[in-house]
Amino acid sequence: RKEVEQDPGPFNVPEGATVAFNCTYSNSASQSFFWYRQDCRKEPKLLMSVYSSGNEDGRFTAQLNRASQYISLLIRDSKLSDSATYLCVVTPPGANNLFFGTGTRLTVIP
Amino acid sequence: GAVVSQHPSWVICKSGTSVKIECRSLDFQATTMFWYRQFPKQSLMLMATSNEGSKATYEQGVEKDKFLINHASLTLSTLTVTSAHPEDSSFYICSATRQAANYGYTFGSGTRLTVV
Repeated sequence: RKEVEQDPGPFNVPEGATVAFNCTYSNSASQSFFWYRQDCRKEPKLLMSVYSSGNEDGRFTAQLNRASQYISLLIRDSKLSDSATYLCVVTPPGANNLFFGTGTRLTVIP
Repeated sequence: GAVVSQHPSWVICKSGTSVKIECRSLDFQATTMFWYRQFPKQSLMLMATSNEGSKATYEQGVEKDKFLINHASLTLSTLTVTSAHPEDSSFYICSATRQAANYGYTFGSGTRLTVV
């Protein structure tokens, strides 16, 4: 079983739409959770960390459900510039490396 | 903010030759460097973890004699793909972190390797 599983999409949404991505992780003892954004042929960039209490950064809201081992990312009022691949990332217990999901491809259409 | 410089950004080499990829942390001391590989439409897969001054720890299925990693200083780590073959063509990317709580990870810009 993969450490991190994501729906690869693609998600094609119109500008202004709200879109949600989900991700599950296999190790219940995982300790840190992130959403990264990766543009084509570029390195991943940290979008936001994910906390148990949920956190929001502008149009982006991340949620963590430890009981269900589930992480979500909500993007409101989608912009064309949001088009990218969104990677769900988890740090395993007792280690400091990152496990990446395969990513969910989002295209925002004018 | 923390910056990791990776080069070359792309390289084309002949089958059987070796290619060296460098990652330098420009404004912080990278105690740990991670090397990832990403094939098209796939996730980043961790190849190895290197701590400064120690031998790298390789993930299962990654040949340590083929992918030589050196992390001799706190600001430089290198990955050498030896005797490259077309199946080694991929996007290679490094990520550095410092041994401090919640320091975070900084990625290099990646190297696209094509072996012909």
